[in-house]
Amino acid sequence: EVQLVQSGAEVRKPGESLKISCKGSGYSFTNYWIGWVRQMPGKGLEWMGIIYPGDSETGYSPSFHGQVTISADKSISTAYLQWDSLKASDTATYYCAREGGTSFDYWGQGTLVTVSS
Amino acid sequence: EIVLTQSPATLSLSPGERATLSCRASQSVSKYLAWFQQKPGQAPRLLIYDSSNRAIGIPARFSGSGSGTDFTLTITSLEPEDFAVYYCQHRSNWPPGMYTFGQGTKLEIK
Repeated sequence: EVQLVQSGAEVRKPGESLKISCKGSGYSFTNYWIGWVRQMPGKGLEWMGIIYPGDSETGYSPSFHGQVTISADKSISTAYLQWDSLKASDTATYYCAREGGTSFDYWGQGTLVTVSS
Repeated sequence: EIVLTQSPATLSLSPGERATLSCRASQSVSKYLAWFQQKPGQAPRLLIYDSSNRAIGIPARFSGSGSGTDFTLTITSLEPEDFAVYYCQHRSNWPPGMYTFGQGTKLEIK
């Protein structure tokens, strides 16, 4: 069974750093792209970027390029989304999703990130 | 950049009725459009890919159609569990790709 399990909810202060994770299982992690999607409270879905764990090739939405870093450790089948300096506007739920070749066919359960002083 | 516009923003229907949701692209996306369903507190779920192909495990009452710039998601005979928010999505220049989501249509119980 394909599963993407994300790390738990986080609370941080503005200016702090954060790295959240997404662990894949039940399939060949290195052979499928993993994307990240933001959902701000009460709002729609926004694509942030994507990574191919096999060689760590990445692609970013222009809206998020330079704002976050996407990485992966294929040895432990885990992808990451990282911020160096959080802002209050980064408060959102973040989803990872597997790109199955036609679209995002499997999703993680989401990680709620709250940034507040 | 391709923009996806969904209509209506909110659709109020009763169980058993037929739902028709629209997604319009700002330029042709050929057949490369997907639909997702999201219920409160849950992750999105892939319903339809490449305009008309149902994803694994999706009931036959969900169907997609369209090509170019105009797409439709149809749900025949609404079940109580179908009331949710629906998003269309397009992928271009893959890999690695650029992904765009529509703003969503909320399907609510009348």
